[in-house]
Amino acid sequence: EDQVTQSPEALRLQEGESSSLNCSYTVSGLRGLFWYRQDPGKGPEFLFTLYSAGEEKEKERLKATLTKKESFLHITAPKPEDSATYLCAVQAPGAQKLVFGQGTRLTINP
Amino acid sequence: GAVVSQHPSRVICKSGTSVKIECRSLDFQATTMFWYRQFPKQSLMLMATSNEGSKATYEQGVEKDKFLINHASLTLSTLTVTSAHPEDSSFYICSASASRVEQYFGPGTRLTVT
Repeated sequence: EDQVTQSPEALRLQEGESSSLNCSYTVSGLRGLFWYRQDPGKGPEFLFTLYSAGEEKEKERLKATLTKKESFLHITAPKPEDSATYLCAVQAPGAQKLVFGQGTRLTINP
Repeated sequence: GAVVSQHPSRVICKSGTSVKIECRSLDFQATTMFWYRQFPKQSLMLMATSNEGSKATYEQGVEKDKFLINHASLTLSTLTVTSAHPEDSSFYICSASASRVEQYFGPGTRLTVT
């Protein structure tokens, strides 16, 4: 069964304090790994898709990386507006649906 | 690009009534749309997958007669919660995909059944 585990469950950082969020996955083959950001009371906002081990993608202060077993979302010098829940999801080959992790609630204190 | 809208954003209804939620892809044609529900501080739970012109595929444990899904066009899908009860109160989110890979999510609909 495809599974996604995100850690930590919650993370508090000071503004400017860099860190990483982890997404470990078990899937029979990998069609894609996705990162989303979700603000309270809103739908998830697409951030990145990673397809193969070694791939990296960046957007502003965020960088996502992928290995054969996990993905990291690195956040560099975060700002309070980066506070949100970050969701990781995987898609197996031939499947349409995404399997989501439980998310990491990130809080950046000014 | 890749904007998905939902309507209404919030709805309150009485127990026993039906509620319809619309999901539209505004700037692309969505061959596949998905419906999720989300409980407080939990992740998204997939309810069903619908391909345009086909019957929806429901996840295990989701009552197809209670949650009616219609995907009549490449830009519109609807979810109707029939005979709603308080336990159906939740945050319902749709997503749309043109490529069968990336999914783009709507802003969600908060349903409260009194």
